[in-house]
Amino acid sequence: QQQVKQSPQSLIVQKGGISIINCAYENTAFDYFPWYQQFPGKGPALLIAIRPDVSEKKEGRFTISFNKSAKQFSLHIMDSQPGDSATYFCAAWKNTDKLIFGTGTRLQVFP
Amino acid sequence: SQTIHQWPATLVQPVGSPLSLECTVEGTSNPNLYWYRQAAGRGLQLLFYSVGIGQISSEVPQNLSASRPQDRQFILSSKKLLLSDSGFYLCAWSRGTQETQYFGPGTRLLVL
Repeated sequence: QQQVKQSPQSLIVQKGGISIINCAYENTAFDYFPWYQQFPGKGPALLIAIRPDVSEKKEGRFTISFNKSAKQFSLHIMDSQPGDSATYFCAAWKNTDKLIFGTGTRLQVFP
Repeated sequence: SQTIHQWPATLVQPVGSPLSLECTVEGTSNPNLYWYRQAAGRGLQLLFYSVGIGQISSEVPQNLSASRPQDRQFILSSKKLLLSDSGFYLCAWSRGTQETQYFGPGTRLLVL
């Protein structure tokens, strides 16, 4: 019940395309869902996050879509750029507990 | 502003040797501190977390230990390294039990 399942494991997108990464969870007590971006050899950095009281959050080219009834959330990267090539982790959190991370998606954007 | 430091950045150690990795946080007090390990091309495995000085919780039984001798210092240690200890070690902090974790730059450990 503590798992967060992330797919796909890897993703190849052409420059200008849309990248979509999906995550699913079981524990309905989770109330915060962040996405982290990690470049090779660096630590992960918070990219964007959402709470379950909204269905969508957009920051620039990055959008989180959240489906509470399906217990799923996804990251959409519009107009993907080579500089977006990185590993993306979804995560879930509930109060006083630890972040539960997905297994990561390696995104490669080709020019 | 807050800053998290890790050192060394890279370490090559022989099997059976000891290990000490250090993490310090600046600009905040009483943070929650975390140690993660990331195998090559893999996800984040939480190893230890600490809510205060001397308070360590272990997530996975293994060859490693952690200590928190000061409020903003977190140390990862081993008495005898194994080949399987190779990986990318990440330290992170959060404000109490708040949801956002901030990661350090990481230490790449290669055990030969």
